Amino acid sequence: GESVGLHLPTLSVQEGDNSIINCAYSNSASDYFIWYKQESGKGPQFIIDIRSNMDKRQGQRVTVLLNKTVKHLSLQIAATQPGDSAVYFCAENPTGIQKTSYDKVIFGPGTSLSVIP
Amino acid sequence: NAGVTQTPKFQVLKTGQSMTLQCAQDMNHNSMYWYRQDPGMGLRLIYYSASEGTTDKGEVPNGYNVSRLNKREFSLRLESAAPSQTSVYFCASSTGLLYSTDTQYFGPGTRLTVL
Repeated sequence: GESVGLHLPTLSVQEGDNSIINCAYSNSASDYFIWYKQESGKGPQFIIDIRSNMDKRQGQRVTVLLNKTVKHLSLQIAATQPGDSAVYFCAENPTGIQKTSYDKVIFGPGTSLSVIP
Repeated sequence: NAGVTQTPKFQVLKTGQSMTLQCAQDMNHNSMYWYRQDPGMGLRLIYYSASEGTTDKGEVPNGYNVSRLNKREFSLRLESAAPSQTSVYFCASSTGLLYSTDTQYFGPGTRLTVL
């Protein structure tokens, strides 16, 4: 079946370094992707999204890259801070522009990012 | 603007007891969702409501019921709790399911333990 997965379950980075969190998806028809951050004891929080007609989108200290050729998504965090320690999920919205029924968003299992002070 | 709120934050039940998890959103969203999150697993959809007055089963609906009380509120009921329902439950809402760029916004979660 279709799935969204993360290559690494855990990632440790030194404070101040850049972090890269990866995600693979299998449905080439997906046209919208979202990254969520989940801190311990809290609900997932929207970070950044990207549509399939884009290769790159930047936010504040975060960049999402989309490679449709290999169905790969990545989240880059610049100058990683202790507050960035969390689990990061990618999510895939698997249907096209106009939907007539619900195709559930597929969430990956998450990558746990630990920032070493 | 509180976003998505959930009550209670924590709950301990004995097997066979019932309870209702409450969820409310103040973003005027059409769609609402209930997920469960278990250790090492992603979010799994229990039920969703595309719009006020409609509800549909998700991936893991067995043992649960829902009510879309109005546009703001979406409750999840466990009629006879079982230890397998020990989990963290998240409510979410979004603008509407017909939009491909439909982002879901999550509540803080309810941590449920069934003994």
